[in-house]
Amino acid sequence: DTEVTQTPKHLVMGMTNKKSLKCEQHMGHRAMYWYKQKAKKPPELMFVYSYEKLSINESVPSRFSPECPNSSLLNLHLHALQPEDSALYLCASSQDFTGALNNEQFFGPGTRLTVL
Amino acid sequence: AQSVTQLDSQVPVFEEAPVELRCNYSSSVSVYLFWYVQYPNQGLQLLLKYLSGSTLVKGINGFEAEFNKSQTSFHLRKPSVHISDTAEYFCAVSEDNAGNMLTFGGGTRLMVKP
Repeated sequence: DTEVTQTPKHLVMGMTNKKSLKCEQHMGHRAMYWYKQKAKKPPELMFVYSYEKLSINESVPSRFSPECPNSSLLNLHLHALQPEDSALYLCASSQDFTGALNNEQFFGPGTRLTVL
Repeated sequence: AQSVTQLDSQVPVFEEAPVELRCNYSSSVSVYLFWYVQYPNQGLQLLLKYLSGSTLVKGINGFEAEFNKSQTSFHLRKPSVHISDTAEYFCAVSEDNAGNMLTFGGGTRLMVKP
């Protein structure tokens, strides 16, 4: 199984809502990533988890709260978002976070988020 | 810190014609290079990667790329494109001493016309 799955596929939420995005992989990978991608732009890294510990937070606002409950699951909790947070949120995983040699990132299909 | 430049934001081409998508990078250390493809409303799929060894790398769907260290380039080529190749293509770089962090170029939209 070389797949990263993400749910939901689409999400529409108001600025006062609380919602969560979910990402799952069963490849035994120990590094997991959240990216944000705006239309016609490359993905921007938000968070990296390595062995279930947060390794990198790219100065992401606190209205985005990541969680890694176990090595297969990665959540992104959303609260009090702004319309400019509307984007495609991509999850990725890799064997680990030690280096790129034979350590490609596998991407999920993304969650299309719209904040009204 | 490294940077990646994809010189063309859009490349229109007719079906069965050859195509080259250009990618240049800057880095002061050894790098690993990747090309990803993103079809509409989908995630990113790895096309090919250069880690070491032969500078000509073959990937999926008939694509290949050549690593040129002196020109700091990693251009993507396909001898004959299909309509189904219409997508966004991202070049990405990872530095040898930067864990598994990817720096992406701005993307090139390949538009294949019948």
